[in-house]
Amino acid sequence: GQQLNQSPQSMFIQEGEDVSMNCTSSSIFNTWLWYKQEPGEGPVLLIALYKAGELTSNGRLTAQFGITRKDSFLNISASIPSDVGIYFCAGHDKIIFGKGTRLHILP
Amino acid sequence: GAGVSQTPSNKVTEKGKYVELRCDPISGHTALYWYRQSLGQGPEFLIYFQGTGAADDSGLPNDRFFAVRPEGSVSTLKIQRTERGDSAVYLCASSLVGVSGANVLTFGAGSRLTVL
Repeated sequence: GQQLNQSPQSMFIQEGEDVSMNCTSSSIFNTWLWYKQEPGEGPVLLIALYKAGELTSNGRLTAQFGITRKDSFLNISASIPSDVGIYFCAGHDKIIFGKGTRLHILP
Repeated sequence: GAGVSQTPSNKVTEKGKYVELRCDPISGHTALYWYRQSLGQGPEFLIYFQGTGAADDSGLPNDRFFAVRPEGSVSTLKIQRTERGDSAVYLCASSLVGVSGANVLTFGAGSRLTVL
């Protein structure tokens, strides 16, 4: 079946650094979604991408839908402590999730 | 309501017991999804409802799992003869349109099931 591969699995960065994570698939998706999950909560949508090549920003977050429709990346600029969490990519048609990238911020 | 509500938030049960998990979606959302999330993993698709009908139940792991949405709003995920491997957080999400549209899922906080 369809699978999404996220990398890196985990990141330890200093506050203020930029972050980049990506997601790839062997299948084509029509929509890419990026979610963030904090402990004890369900995932919360950060950015939705609907067109191949689309580049979308939401504050310090920027995400792009790959031209091949098989990949996407998420960048976070100038990270702050509240960015800590697990970031999931999700591909739509059936909303398949990756395994997540765990972001840790060192003081 | 304002968000997706799931009850119970925590459920501890014994192996072999029957469990029901409830999801109350955002009012007016026609699509409802169930996911299962094991520790350290991403959400795993179980079943998707469009209105009252299960449009896609291909993610249900076996026939011990069943879900209903009789009036097109609240949904119940039912697990029979629970096994220790069923322990996970069960997430519910709803959206305005179905899979064919550019839907955006809003998730509940999940029901954490522990099977002893």
